[in-house]
Amino acid sequence: DAKTTQPPSMDCAEGRAANLPCNHSTISGNEYVYWYRQIHSQGPQYIIHGLKNNETNEMASLIITEDRKSSTLILPHATLRDTAVYYCIVRGSNTGNQFYFGTGTSLTVIP
Amino acid sequence: EPEVTQTPSHQVTQMGQEVILRCVPISNHLYFYWYRQILGQKVEFLVSFYNNEISEKSEIFDDQFSVERPDGSNFTLKIRSTKLEDSAMYFCASTALPSGLAGGEQFFGPGTRLTVL
Repeated sequence: DAKTTQPPSMDCAEGRAANLPCNHSTISGNEYVYWYRQIHSQGPQYIIHGLKNNETNEMASLIITEDRKSSTLILPHATLRDTAVYYCIVRGSNTGNQFYFGTGTSLTVIP
Repeated sequence: EPEVTQTPSHQVTQMGQEVILRCVPISNHLYFYWYRQILGQKVEFLVSFYNNEISEKSEIFDDQFSVERPDGSNFTLKIRSTKLEDSAMYFCASTALPSGLAGGEQFFGPGTRLTVL
């Protein structure tokens, strides 16, 4: 019973926007959505998170649908260093604060 | 910029031996976590720790595992009698606020690669 669903892999041309979708249809109304990425076997790196409104920071933008059942991470100008596995993360249990990591999307930025 | 640190970066041990993995969370954080990632697999939650006690643990976190915050700065994961299947990357994370409902982002360390022979 996966809590998040992401495409297993995507390619993006260098300099173009990368749009990474995620379905999280069982998310509760007051629960945040987080995006992290992992390069090789390094520790997961925080990118952005949001609750209901769209969010933007220096790394990316997060678009959350009105029903909150899905979201899209946007890397506006992908570089080769953005090649990584991207995880859309929600809470791992109804009572706890641990993260549930799905299988993620392996993004390859192509020169 | 403050960061979570972990030592050692790589630990090799014999099956049946005890190992202690160490983490130094970000100094003003209150919530601490251990996750593991077997090679080629997903990152899995092991345990969360707050106010000097375990908040939650997964099915993986059995009696062979324990956690401790011995001195107010370190956060350790002990495996009493390692098995071959314990070979994995172990990540420590910390956050100032609870993650799920309060929006606290977890900051992860670089990980310790544990190899059990």
